[in-house]
Amino acid sequence: SQTIHQWPATLVQPVGSPLSLECTVEGTSNPNLYWYRQAAGRGLQLLFYSVGIGQISSEVPQNLSASRPQDRQFILSSKKLLLSDSGFYLCAWIASGTGNGYTFGSGTRLTVV
Amino acid sequence: LAKTTQPISMDSYEGQEVNITCSHNNIATNDYITWYQQFPSQGPRFIIQGYKTKVTNEVASLFIPADRKSSTLSLPRVSLSDTAVYYCLVGDLATGGYNKLIFGAGTRLAVHP
Repeated sequence: SQTIHQWPATLVQPVGSPLSLECTVEGTSNPNLYWYRQAAGRGLQLLFYSVGIGQISSEVPQNLSASRPQDRQFILSSKKLLLSDSGFYLCAWIASGTGNGYTFGSGTRLTVV
Repeated sequence: LAKTTQPISMDSYEGQEVNITCSHNNIATNDYITWYQQFPSQGPRFIIQGYKTKVTNEVASLFIPADRKSSTLSLPRVSLSDTAVYYCLVGDLATGGYNKLIFGAGTRLAVHP
């Protein structure tokens, strides 16, 4: 069966520090992968998506970046965090053409102080 | 991309049937309609998906009229554990339209004892 792993669950980082969040998917190949961010009490904002290794599309200009070094690995990074980067970060995947929608990871609660 | 409009919030009581309607006037021919449920500090969870008429699974029913410009998620006999945010999304599964699915603010359902 397919599973998605996302870590860490919570993270407190000072302003200006770097960030690296990792997401891995098991039990599938060539998934479409996504990073979303959710501010408190708000909907989900699509940040990046990837349809294959090394292929990254950005939806929102920001100081974040994403990379996909392996088929089932998706990484969200920042060189210098801002206070506004605080939020709930979610990784998701979907197999093209399926009828089961997205599968989301458990999320990372990032607080920038 | 088809934009969706949902009520911001709804209240119900245990044992009642809850119907949440979503408007998607610009839905495209190849778009499917998908509903997700999100609990606090968790990623959204797929509930149900449909293209037209009615779809039912063990959790909910989805009613889609012939013109497909709206859809209604029906939750039978809700319990306190159904308190969550419900999102309606539309997108094309076959051609990669899912690459840019955007989550709106969703409908915050509160079930009271």
